[in-house]
Amino acid sequence: EDQVTQSPEALRLQEGESSSLNCSYTVSGLRGLFWYRQDPGKGPEFLFTLYSAGEEKEKERLKATLTKKESFLHITAPKPEDSATYLCAVLNSGYALNFGKGTSLLVTP
Amino acid sequence: ETGVTQSPTHLIKTRGQQVTLRCSSQSGHNTVSWYQQALGQGPQFIFQYYREEENGRGNFPPRFSGLQFPNYSSELNVNALELDDSALYLCASSRQREGFYEQYFGPGTRLTVT
Repeated sequence: EDQVTQSPEALRLQEGESSSLNCSYTVSGLRGLFWYRQDPGKGPEFLFTLYSAGEEKEKERLKATLTKKESFLHITAPKPEDSATYLCAVLNSGYALNFGKGTSLLVTP
Repeated sequence: ETGVTQSPTHLIKTRGQQVTLRCSSQSGHNTVSWYQQALGQGPQFIFQYYREEENGRGNFPPRFSGLQFPNYSSELNVNALELDDSALYLCASSRQREGFYEQYFGPGTRLTVT
């Protein structure tokens, strides 16, 4: 059975303090690993798709990387507007995204 | 490009009632998936529709049903509502195409069952 575990559950950073969020997974036949950002009471906003180990993608202060067992979302010099819940999901040979519980990030000025 | 839209935004129902939630997919997308998100949890897959047929289903009982229309919009119907059905219901649209698997989510419908 596919499993996605995100850590830490919550993270508090000072503005400018870089850090990484972790997503470890077990899946048979990975077709993609996805990162989403979710603001309170809103739908998830698509950030990245990673397809194979070694792949990296960047967007503004965010960089996502993928190995055979985990993915990292690196946040460089975060700003308060980066505060949100970050969700990781995997897609196997089926149709459904299998999500972790998310990491709640708070960036303080 | 029009994004995914959902209606209504909020809904309050009584246990035992029935509810219908609606979703319009993003322009150019032909597949709709529905997810349930309880507070503090990640979204859980309910089912997916492609070409107006159910294309896969998660671990949800038959009282959760859906439809997809020729314009790719979709409905989620839930019968005999239970208190545990209170959640944020998310619709996601995508293009059914090999090598392209991104799903784009709508803003969600917050359902409260009392």
